[in-house]
Amino acid sequence: KQEVTQIPAALSVPEGENLVLNCSFTDSAIYNLQWFRQDPGKGLTSLLLIQSSQREQTSGRLNASLDKSSGRSTLYIAASQPGDSATYLCAVPGTGGYNKLIFGAGTRLAVHP
Amino acid sequence: DTAVSQTPKYLVTQMGNDKSIKCEQNLGHDTMYWYKQDSKKFLKIMFSYNNKELIINETVPNRFSPKSPDKAHLNLHINSLELGDSAVYFCASSQEPAGYEQYFGPGTRLTVT
Repeated sequence: KQEVTQIPAALSVPEGENLVLNCSFTDSAIYNLQWFRQDPGKGLTSLLLIQSSQREQTSGRLNASLDKSSGRSTLYIAASQPGDSATYLCAVPGTGGYNKLIFGAGTRLAVHP
Repeated sequence: DTAVSQTPKYLVTQMGNDKSIKCEQNLGHDTMYWYKQDSKKFLKIMFSYNNKELIINETVPNRFSPKSPDKAHLNLHINSLELGDSAVYFCASSQEPAGYEQYFGPGTRLTVT
């Protein structure tokens, strides 16, 4: 049974810092891994999708890496800004061949000026 | 243009009532999903439909009945609402069932009193 763990659960940093958010999963037989952002009271915004054949994906100040063999992904946020404050969720497909996403509990990020 | 939309955004109702939540996607995707985010913010898959056919049913009580009139719509009907049904319900869609990025709607916050 696929399980996803995210560390840390919460992070509070001053503006400008480079950040590392961690995600680990128990079953390495995944199609892909997706990172989302959720703002309070809002829906989920897809940030990055890494296919199983890829090692990393980049979008602006965000870079996500994937190490399937060790069951880990890392989301790097460069030069953090107050607008980055949100909950970041990692998700992988569950076992069974369909894309039912299994989510981690998220990392709550607060970037203060 | 909104990719995945849900109505209503908020729903407050009493125990025992029946209510529906509607979801529409204009992305031309074949697969749609319902997820539930409980008070502890855990997101869990409930149902998935592919081309109007049910492909995932994650041990959800029979009081919950999804209906897909066409590929672009997936509605969720809930009978005999209970206090524990209070949560945020998210609709999502993807191009196909496996291996593709999922796009989420803004969520429907259901409060049962």
